[in-house]
Amino acid sequence: SAVISQKPSRDICQRGTSLTIQCQVDSQVTMMFWYRQQPGQSLTLIATANQGSEATYESGFVIDKFPISRPNLTFSTLTVSNMSPEDSSIYLCSVDFSLPGGGNTIYFGEGSWLTVV
Amino acid sequence: GEDVEQSLFLSVREGDSSVINCTYTDSSSTYLYWYKQEPGAGLQLLTYIFSNMDMKQDQRLTVLLNKKDKHLSLRIADTQTGDSAIYFCAETSHNTGKLIFGQGTTLQVKP
Repeated sequence: SAVISQKPSRDICQRGTSLTIQCQVDSQVTMMFWYRQQPGQSLTLIATANQGSEATYESGFVIDKFPISRPNLTFSTLTVSNMSPEDSSIYLCSVDFSLPGGGNTIYFGEGSWLTVV
Repeated sequence: GEDVEQSLFLSVREGDSSVINCTYTDSSSTYLYWYKQEPGAGLQLLTYIFSNMDMKQDQRLTVLLNKKDKHLSLRIADTQTGDSAIYFCAETSHNTGKLIFGQGTTLQVKP
């Protein structure tokens, strides 16, 4: 399995500020993703973090609001820009991990719980 | 677009079996997943099933897949209070790694 570490685990942020969340994986993975889970809701995919190129965003999410970096195969960052209370959510990193015997499975980090005040 | 549906709530007594159901619309789904989320925690991968299988068993967990009806279920045998959590069904297709999630089923286990 893959071990995924996210930082920060929790934060309280001021309206109008930006926060960068880090995701570190203990092995090289091809695909990394960022999801948002709003309070009491399910998970929604924000974007695919592509190594060496710009992230691919899902409908409703834009680069100016959620810039993403992926400098190598084990690390990615998501920035939540110009935050408002509506951005209060859990942000989760996930990876598509190749299994030694073949096939893939998808693991998640513990999430970063952001509260915007 | 693709859609995944789950019932929102299930309540069982400790020691009983729990069955959480999920339906999906994408006929090209390749993997289907079950995740558990405890209060204040992230998502824990419980199990997954490849679309060419119809059953997978792992200790107390049994996953059944009816591909014709696009129906997936998770059975938890001998349910314990520690199983109380939200359970998410999710699917991915074409090896994209992108997951479509259901709304989550809150499992309440009564002593």
